[in-house]
Amino acid sequence: KAGVTQTPRYLIKTRGQQVTLSCSPISGHRSVSWYQQTPGQGLQFLFEYFSETQRNKGNFPGRFSGRQFSNSRSEMNVSTLELGDSALYLCASNGQANTGELFFGEGSRLTVL
Amino acid sequence: AQKITQTQPGMFVQEKEAVTLDCTYDTSDQSYGLFWYKQPSSGEMIFLIYQGSYDEQNATEGRYSLNFQKARKSANLVISASQLGDSAMYFCAMRVLTGTASKLTFGTGTRLQVTL
Repeated sequence: KAGVTQTPRYLIKTRGQQVTLSCSPISGHRSVSWYQQTPGQGLQFLFEYFSETQRNKGNFPGRFSGRQFSNSRSEMNVSTLELGDSALYLCASNGQANTGELFFGEGSRLTVL
Repeated sequence: AQKITQTQPGMFVQEKEAVTLDCTYDTSDQSYGLFWYKQPSSGEMIFLIYQGSYDEQNATEGRYSLNFQKARKSANLVISASQLGDSAMYFCAMRVLTGTASKLTFGTGTRLQVTL
C-alpha cells in the first residue's frame, strides 16, 4: 500500500514568486491536511480538505490556499512568496473520521531567496 | 484551544536503555486523541503510538508505550531498549475528536540522541 506522496521534495524560489505543492494521500483516504514546519514556529496547521471541501483552516494569510481534487489529491499554493515562507511543508492523510493516526508524507522543503 | 508542552529540548540515552519523553497537554474537551510522532533528519513524520482519552489501558506498540495519566494531563512516551536508529526528533500531538476535523496540535519536540 503506497504511502503519502509529496512533490516536489525540494524547491528554491525567489521572493514574490508563487509555488504549488502537491500531495497524493493513501489510496482510499479522503482527508488531506497540510502543516508548515519552521525552526521558529514549529509545526503549524494550515488547512484540511475532505471530499474536495475545506473543512478547517489555520491562522495563515490569504496568500496560502489549497484545493482538493475528486481523486483526493491535494495541492497547496503560496503566492507572493516571502523569506519567512521558507519551511518544510508536510501533508497528512487520514482515512478515519475521528480516530486513529494521521499518515504523513516526507514533506516538501521550500527555500525562498 | 489545545496546547501541548514538551519541556525537554534534548535527551541522551545509552543504547539498550529505556528513556521517557515527557508530554503534558491542556484542553477543555473530553474526547481527544494523543499521538507521538518520530521525525528523522529526512523530514518525514512517522507515527509511533496513539492513545484515546477514553482508553482505559495505556497504549503499547512494540518498544513504544504511552504512559497516560489523565488526571495529570500527561502522555509520556517510553521507549524501551533504545537503538541507534531511535535518534531523531519526537513530537507529541493532540487532536480533538468532537466533530470531523483532523487538526493536530503539536508540541515543540524533543531531540533524542542514542549513544553507544
